[in-house]
Amino acid sequence: DAGVIQSPRHEVTEMGQEVTLRCKPISGHDYLFWYRQTMMRGLELLIYFNNNVPIDDSGMPEDRFSAKMPNASFSTLKIQPSEPRDSAVYFCASRGFYEQYFGPGTRLTVT
Amino acid sequence: QQQVKQSPQSLIVQKGGISIINCAYENTAFDYFPWYQQFPGKGPALLIAIRPDVSEKKEGRFTISFNKSAKQFSLHIMDSQPGDSATYFCAAAEQGGSEKLVFGKGTKLTVNP
Repeated sequence: DAGVIQSPRHEVTEMGQEVTLRCKPISGHDYLFWYRQTMMRGLELLIYFNNNVPIDDSGMPEDRFSAKMPNASFSTLKIQPSEPRDSAVYFCASRGFYEQYFGPGTRLTVT
Repeated sequence: QQQVKQSPQSLIVQKGGISIINCAYENTAFDYFPWYQQFPGKGPALLIAIRPDVSEKKEGRFTISFNKSAKQFSLHIMDSQPGDSATYFCAAAEQGGSEKLVFGKGTKLTVNP
């Protein structure tokens, strides 16, 4: 298996633009997680899905953030409009039985 | 409110030495305690995990020690190698599953040759 796949790996955008991050979980995993990592706040859980259904989005910082999982093999995290404080590394992770497997992350820079 | 406190922030160890990273928590509902290892430019990867029904778990050179009464757990890396240089995160999750992992702030370990 290729593991969790995220795209793009790097994204540079200007403030106010819409940003869409993509994730393909490991086949057969029924949980999908979106995390944000910054130096100041560390690793934060933004939202997670179980069987494509959002279960807990209490970590989503603002209404500018939204996430979808239209099917078992694809999820998106969208930021609209983006702001410089959104600059971070965003990780997607999936879980089968117990262990969470992380993707390589998307480094987002908002100028 | 930081639910899992990790120390130290950074650690420098000589090759062959023992690396020790500590974590403390307050939430007594936590019952799953994993450690993750992260190399630059990569996502975190599970290293080893423990549940409160045991006080120690060892996998190769990596050992978790768990003190339920003190609400503390630690990672020991024996015979540390330069390839162990990475950032280590402790985490915790409540009873019922590992869905909502709460992570410590991380420890950057450098093992000098």
